[in-house]
Amino acid sequence: EPEVTQTPSHQVTQMGQEVILRCVPISNHLYFYWYRQILGQKVEFLVSFYNNEISEKSEIFDDQFSVERPDGSNFTLKIRSTKLEDSAMYFCASSVEWGREVYEQYFGPGTRLTVT
Amino acid sequence: AQSVTQPDIHITVSEGASLELRCNYSYGATPYLFWYVQSPGQGLQLLLKYFSGDTLVQGIKGFEAEFKRSQSSFNLRKPSVHWSDAAEYFCAVGLLTGGGNKLTFGTGTQLKVEL
Repeated sequence: EPEVTQTPSHQVTQMGQEVILRCVPISNHLYFYWYRQILGQKVEFLVSFYNNEISEKSEIFDDQFSVERPDGSNFTLKIRSTKLEDSAMYFCASSVEWGREVYEQYFGPGTRLTVT
Repeated sequence: AQSVTQPDIHITVSEGASLELRCNYSYGATPYLFWYVQSPGQGLQLLLKYFSGDTLVQGIKGFEAEFKRSQSSFNLRKPSVHWSDAAEYFCAVGLLTGGGNKLTFGTGTQLKVEL
């Protein structure tokens, strides 16, 4: 069964450093998402991406964040200058949308980011 | 803005007992509703979804959920819990936007199963 994969599973970085989290969505999916989950809190939407551009972003997704689909398979989340409060589990998800029908999002296993 | 409330933070049940996890949503239109499960150290796995039609939906692992518009609820049920069901369960509502289907999650319910 196709699945969303994410690398690395755990990333430790120092405050102020740049990090790139990588995701490989399911191959025939058209919409891509990033969510995050701070320890003990709920999963929060960050950004959605379609047709090589951001479709929607949350208030969390400020200028320090960016997303990119550098090739036909990868989808990345970059944090330019990490802060302690960026420490969280980051989930990538993908979905198919056909017309106005809504399809479920498939989530990857997550990348745990620890900023020290 | 849409929101999801899961009033029970922790629930403990005995193996073999029935289970009901509560979920209430606030949304101005017909909601797209989901239940996801997260096992320790794992990602989010979709259990079931409601888009339209029959208000009782069946999912994987023997779970079902019932959409009740009058109560703005989408409670998850299982008739007989197994020890492997211990995990965290998230209810989510989907907002169809030009950017796909943005999910808003509840705070989750941690399920503990006693043997």
